[in-house]
Amino acid sequence: GAVVSQHPSWVICKSGTSVKIECRSLDFQATTMFWYRQFPKQSLMLMATSNEGSKATYEQGVEKDKFLINHASLTLSTLTVTSAHPEDSSFYICSARDGPDEQYFGPGTRLTVT
Amino acid sequence: GQNIDQPTEMTATEGAIVQINCTYQTSGFNGLFWYQQHAGEAPTFLSYNVLDGLEEKGRFSSFLSRSKGYSYLLLKELQMKDSASYLCAVRVGSGNTPLVFGKGTRLSVIA
Repeated sequence: GAVVSQHPSWVICKSGTSVKIECRSLDFQATTMFWYRQFPKQSLMLMATSNEGSKATYEQGVEKDKFLINHASLTLSTLTVTSAHPEDSSFYICSARDGPDEQYFGPGTRLTVT
Repeated sequence: GQNIDQPTEMTATEGAIVQINCTYQTSGFNGLFWYQQHAGEAPTFLSYNVLDGLEEKGRFSSFLSRSKGYSYLLLKELQMKDSASYLCAVRVGSGNTPLVFGKGTRLSVIA
């Protein structure tokens, strides 16, 4: 199946700093990628839909100025958590579709804000 | 809104069969997915149903009834490594619409 990578796999940052997470489709082109967030023992919550060459579409309740998404190419989307706070600590997962059916997930990035 | 319901937790014995149910009420329907997620890892794709009926893939099978808004994932010959969360997800639109996930079912396989 298709491969989606994320970098970094984990990151610890201080409160108030910004963190950038990269999501890449390695063997296919993805005009659309999705960013999810998952808190412990909870399911995946969609944050935003990232569209190559245009603005991301954010879900209700997700601050677009705090979670900056840039879909610079057909294989790369980035999520920047700006002015991070401890409550932003979570597991961030991106996904992309390769074809009409399957949606592949990256390995996730665990963010800890101290 | 979108509503996808699954049992929170289930326990089953190694070697047995377990059925994880999922019901959904969504604004649209364009396919139902099952994913497996081990703790601390990303979900991995298990199955996809868009038409009514049973899809079998090795030890895993998934069933869909669109008229009832119902699906189940059947796991046979359970192994300890099957202990994980199983996520039911629905694609509610066409094109590049995201998946809407249920809260997941944590399955514990015991000896």
